[in-house]
Amino acid sequence: AQKVTQAQTEISVVEKEDVTLDCVYETRDTTYYLFWYKQPPSGELVFLIRRNSFDEQNEISGRYSWNFQKSTSSFNFTITASQVVDSAVYFCALSEAPGTGFQKLVFGTGTRLLVSP
Amino acid sequence: EAQVTQNPRYLITVTGKKLTVTCSQNMNHEYMSWYRQDPGLGLRQIYYSMNVEVTDKGDVPEGYKVSRKEKRNFPLILESPSPNQTSLYFCASGAGGPAYNEQFFGPGTRLTVL
Repeated sequence: AQKVTQAQTEISVVEKEDVTLDCVYETRDTTYYLFWYKQPPSGELVFLIRRNSFDEQNEISGRYSWNFQKSTSSFNFTITASQVVDSAVYFCALSEAPGTGFQKLVFGTGTRLLVSP
Repeated sequence: EAQVTQNPRYLITVTGKKLTVTCSQNMNHEYMSWYRQDPGLGLRQIYYSMNVEVTDKGDVPEGYKVSRKEKRNFPLILESPSPNQTSLYFCASGAGGPAYNEQFFGPGTRLTVL
């Protein structure tokens, strides 16, 4: 069965610190997708990134970067020079391959990030 | 503007009073889904639909019904709500093909059952 583990329930940092959110996944599929979503205090889910299982290149988008390592089944998310606006709950999610046409997302329990001034 | 809309955004009701949460998308997506979010549990899938008249259970379907009579709409029905259905509900839609697996989420519906 698919499973996503976000062991960090809550992280508190001071502005400008770097922070890494951990995500470990389990799946028997050889083809799958991994996602990160941000949920700010307003409650909506904001899509951050999608990565397929065949692309292990790390990705950087501004202050955000993602480290995908199949060998350790991890897809960690780093925020560089954190800002107060980064305060949110962050969810990691996993999805099966497209061949089935089935797009179920399995979410982790989320990590609440608090960035103080 | 491409979007998923949900109504109502907030709802307080009483045990046993039937309610419907509507979900509509304007992106012509085949796939739609409902999730509930609870503290410490993340989001869990309730029901999903691959296309019109094609629906199936997710991980936590008990106490819920859905229908997909039109491609754009996927309402969530609680025939007899109970307090354990107090939750934050999200509707999502997605397309197949190369854009597969990017799901678009609605703004959420916060439901309280007294």
